[in-house]
Amino acid sequence: QKEVEQNSGPLSVPEGAIASLNCTYSDRGSQSFFWYRQYSGKSPELIMSIYSNGDKEDGRFTAQLNKASQYVSLLIRDSQPSDSATYLCAVNMDAGNMLTFGGGTRLMVKP
Amino acid sequence: DTEVTQTPKHLVMGMTNKKSLKCEQHMGHRAMYWYKQKAKKPPELMFVYSYEKLSINESVPSRFSPECPNSSLLNLHLHALQPEDSALYLCASSQAKGNQPQHFGDGTRLSIL
Repeated sequence: QKEVEQNSGPLSVPEGAIASLNCTYSDRGSQSFFWYRQYSGKSPELIMSIYSNGDKEDGRFTAQLNKASQYVSLLIRDSQPSDSATYLCAVNMDAGNMLTFGGGTRLMVKP
Repeated sequence: DTEVTQTPKHLVMGMTNKKSLKCEQHMGHRAMYWYKQKAKKPPELMFVYSYEKLSINESVPSRFSPECPNSSLLNLHLHALQPEDSALYLCASSQAKGNQPQHFGDGTRLSIL
């Protein structure tokens, strides 16, 4: 069964610190990887897409992909209380458009 | 504000009612999706439409009936729902070619009495 795994947390970091969120996936042939942020009671919001090995930076966010280790991560620099949310890792495992979601990691940024 | 619009935002219905959830997108996407999400769980895929045709039905009970009238609209018709169907129902859209991100609407919070 194709799976995406995340630590459920909560991951607690102080304001201004770097938050590191991790995700592993089972299908070695996976091509595309996405991070969604979901505030409590709201819908998932796409924050990062990554397709090739290495780092991709967008503002305070950096996505890192290592296909050999089947590992994708999201770094949030200078974490703010407004970053407190659940972060969902989603992987496209079939070269179509179906996404397999991890269970999400709850991040808490404390002032 | 998202570019995928869902109505209504909240819906309370009895188990004998018939209602519909609506989703509209104007991003030119040709793939649209319905998800169900329970509290503290990830979204669970229900249906996928590609080029207005149903391509995936994830063994969803027949009391949920999807419809895609055109490339911008997606409906989910509800009938004889059960209390366990109470959840956040999410619509998403994406380009139909592979490996594209999905963009979610704000969702409809459904409560079954």
